[in-house]
Amino acid sequence: KNEVEQSPQNLTAQEGEFITINCSYSVGISALHWLQQHPGGGIVSLFMLSSGKKKHGRLIATINIQEKHSSLHITASHPRDSAVYICAVGIQGGSEKLVFGKGTKLTVNP
Amino acid sequence: NAGVTQTPKFQVLKTGQSMTLQCAQDMNHEYMSWYRQDPGMGLRLIHYSVGAGITDQGEVPNGYNVSRSTTEDFPLRLLSAAPSQTSVYFCASSHRGYGRVKQETQYFGPGTRLLVL
Repeated sequence: KNEVEQSPQNLTAQEGEFITINCSYSVGISALHWLQQHPGGGIVSLFMLSSGKKKHGRLIATINIQEKHSSLHITASHPRDSAVYICAVGIQGGSEKLVFGKGTKLTVNP
Repeated sequence: NAGVTQTPKFQVLKTGQSMTLQCAQDMNHEYMSWYRQDPGMGLRLIHYSVGAGITDQGEVPNGYNVSRSTTEDFPLRLLSAAPSQTSVYFCASSHRGYGRVKQETQYFGPGTRLLVL
């Protein structure tokens, strides 16, 4: 069983819709990262969080440590949001490695 | 400030050849990592380093070597290329965290696409 599971694997939305991508993990973590991989392949960090909620523009990330679950929300989605969104966790007490989910491919149609 | 740079962008090798993928960062990050990304799988850690002179193995280290002689550079060496090493390789760096957070925000290079025939 993967330590980090993302759902859904694929998501298609219409422009303007509210998007939610989920990440569940099975181990104790020190922090959780949300990353975005553009169609061209580049990877950028969106959020790093260890508790609560963070917001940047139309993106919101939440984490529930007790339930071992995080969500990434996109409000008023736009075709330029089309990308693969990746969740990664830092294993608590571990040897400083990140473990990645397989990603959620989001397509936003105009 | 160039961030994380990787060279080459694309490489074709024959089975058995060796090569070095270069990675450099100019942000004075302590932590550097190499990942491979294959279709249908998440990023998998090959090797990582928490500072100059310190390296350790990740999830899939076989067939790869690394060294970290300076803070800035973290080259990845393929000793004898195999078709199974066909992949996209990403280098990443970050500051070390404080307290229980080990790694801060991740910065990724643009990737190297490797094809082994």
